[in-house]
Amino acid sequence: NAGVTQTPKFQVLKTGQSMTLQCAQDMNHNSMYWYRQDPGMGLRLIYYSASEGTTDKGEVPNGYNVSRLNKREFSLRLESAAPSQTSVYFCASSDSPSSYNEQFFGPGTRLTVL
Amino acid sequence: DAKTTQPPSMDCAEGRAANLPCNHSTISGNEYVYWYRQIHSQGPQYIIHGLKNNETNEMASLIITEDRKSSTLILPHATLRDTAVYYCIVRAEYGNKLVFGAGTILRVKS
Repeated sequence: NAGVTQTPKFQVLKTGQSMTLQCAQDMNHNSMYWYRQDPGMGLRLIYYSASEGTTDKGEVPNGYNVSRLNKREFSLRLESAAPSQTSVYFCASSDSPSSYNEQFFGPGTRLTVL
Repeated sequence: DAKTTQPPSMDCAEGRAANLPCNHSTISGNEYVYWYRQIHSQGPQYIIHGLKNNETNEMASLIITEDRKSSTLILPHATLRDTAVYYCIVRAEYGNKLVFGAGTILRVKS
């Protein structure tokens, strides 16, 4: 039982390049989330998927797109990377329909945009 | 969303209890208080949550005041491995999103 896995662990991009961050969970959770964490700050929600087939914007969605590929997988895409997107990206999942469930986090992807 | 206020940092001696305060004076009646922690470079880890009664699990205890305007997370016997950033969160209004603030940096010292 791996929990939440993320790939890649590290990535360096040049401004304008695109990439997709992958996230998968094996806990049969319905809800999945993407957060970013800038140095010295708390996490900010980018997008979330309350259930398979649905996605919604979070606090900081600009510059990102997401795909809920199936129940297990939730990807985050940067179409044209910018230095301001240099951050650590965390994926999380939680059970639903109850709203009062803990979220389980992945190990993070450290992205640098030059 | 109810906002939370936490001290930016605290120190605790190893083996002693660590008491981390959180103020959430605008909390609504149906909002839970959650605590997560983040050990350096790792993803956040759930610790405990509660509504109005005190809660205890294998990791910590959560004490919520009767008026629910503040709470305290207690790590009964802090170890060096408990050094982390601790986040007090009141569950966001929509769905089951979590809104993270800056948290409290807890340094456990030998």
